[in-house]
Amino acid sequence: DTEVTQTPKHLVMGMTNKKSLKCEQHMGHRAMYWYKQKAKKPPELMFVYSYEKLSINESVPSRFSPECPNSSLLNLHLHALQPEDSALYLCASSQPAPGGGYTFGSGTRLTVV
Amino acid sequence: AQSVSQHNHHVILSEAASLELGCNYSYGGTVNLFWYVQYPGQHLQLLLKYFSGDPLVKGIKGFEAEFIKSKFSFNLRKPSVQWSDTAEYFCAVKGNTDKLIFGTGTRLQVFP
Repeated sequence: DTEVTQTPKHLVMGMTNKKSLKCEQHMGHRAMYWYKQKAKKPPELMFVYSYEKLSINESVPSRFSPECPNSSLLNLHLHALQPEDSALYLCASSQPAPGGGYTFGSGTRLTVV
Repeated sequence: AQSVSQHNHHVILSEAASLELGCNYSYGGTVNLFWYVQYPGQHLQLLLKYFSGDPLVKGIKGFEAEFIKSKFSFNLRKPSVQWSDTAEYFCAVKGNTDKLIFGTGTRLQVFP
């Protein structure tokens, strides 16, 4: 299995809702990532988990809450989002630095209404 | 911290033309370099990567890139583009941490 699987593919949520994005990989990668990509922009790093511990938080607002239940799973919990948070959320995995290549999932397209 | 810049924001070519997309990075240590492609409405796909060894890297779909350490560059090339190469191309760099940082991207349009 050489894929990163993200669910759901599309999500529409209100500003008062709580939802979660899920990501799964079975490649034995020990680093997992959340990226945010706005239209016609590059992916922006949000969080990095290395060996199931949060190693990098790129000053992301607390309405985004990551969780890594085990080495294969990565969640992103969403609460009280704003319309400007609408974007494509990408999950990726790799072997931890140095030298690890990245595999990206197809993303969850999130719309906040 | 590492950073990467792509100076060509929008490139328009006719089919069979040659392509070169620029990528320059800033980082003082050992780097890993990547080129990703994103077709309209699709996810990121890895075209090629450089970790070490031969600085001329060959990737999928006929793409190649050359790492020139003295110029801090990793330009992407293809001898003859096709209409199906129309996409957004991202250069990315990773230093000795887990951060993969993307350039701003180059939009390539190929006309028949």
